[in-house]
Amino acid sequence: ETGVTQTPRHLVMGMTNKKSLKCEQHLGHNAMYWYKQSAKKPLELMFVYNFKEQTENNSVPSRFSPECPNSSHLFLHLHTLQPEDSALYLCASSSGEAYTGELFFGEGSRLTVL
Amino acid sequence: SQQGEEDPQALSIQEGENATMNCSYKTSINNLQWYRQNSGRGLVHLILIRSNEREKHSGRLRVTLDTSKKSSSLLITASRAADTASYFCATDAIRGSTLGRLYFGRGTQLTVWP
Repeated sequence: ETGVTQTPRHLVMGMTNKKSLKCEQHLGHNAMYWYKQSAKKPLELMFVYNFKEQTENNSVPSRFSPECPNSSHLFLHLHTLQPEDSALYLCASSSGEAYTGELFFGEGSRLTVL
Repeated sequence: SQQGEEDPQALSIQEGENATMNCSYKTSINNLQWYRQNSGRGLVHLILIRSNEREKHSGRLRVTLDTSKKSSSLLITASRAADTASYFCATDAIRGSTLGRLYFGRGTQLTVWP
């Protein structure tokens, strides 16, 4: 138990569906992140939020839409995805104004796009 | 790219043996971290070493950092079957205060046979 909870753990969706991934952290951290992990590729940073403000958007397609209503919750809204978007989506959190320490990851949401 | 690259890609050893994994990176860093990931799960932080440190220990883990060679190594002593996992190095980049800009490699898959 890392203090970062992701739901759902598994998701199968069609290319025309709309779904959302949820992440909640119970660690009092101020920064939250979405990473994408595809087979045989390095972890890709997608979005970073610091104190609810988006500070990083790593050229992610608009079919991925993040939402951070408060410092404890982070969503990733998905719509009209492509099969190549199938991957493990990892949420993480950290503390501190500028990055100096470790990331705490959730268990991930395994997404399959048919 | 700043991304760390782990070597070897895969390592298979017997219980009780030591496992050594290496990481190389390209630009100056503030710190380097090692993470572990069990199959299909989230990443778990193992150890962080700062650029002004040369060696760090945590239980059966020993990490070294050579900033002149831009490389790090992770040594797991007296390995156990439970150490079977993927191991990733992650480096930050000295580019102002870009929060969360951690670069992960593709990882080393370690298998420890009983």
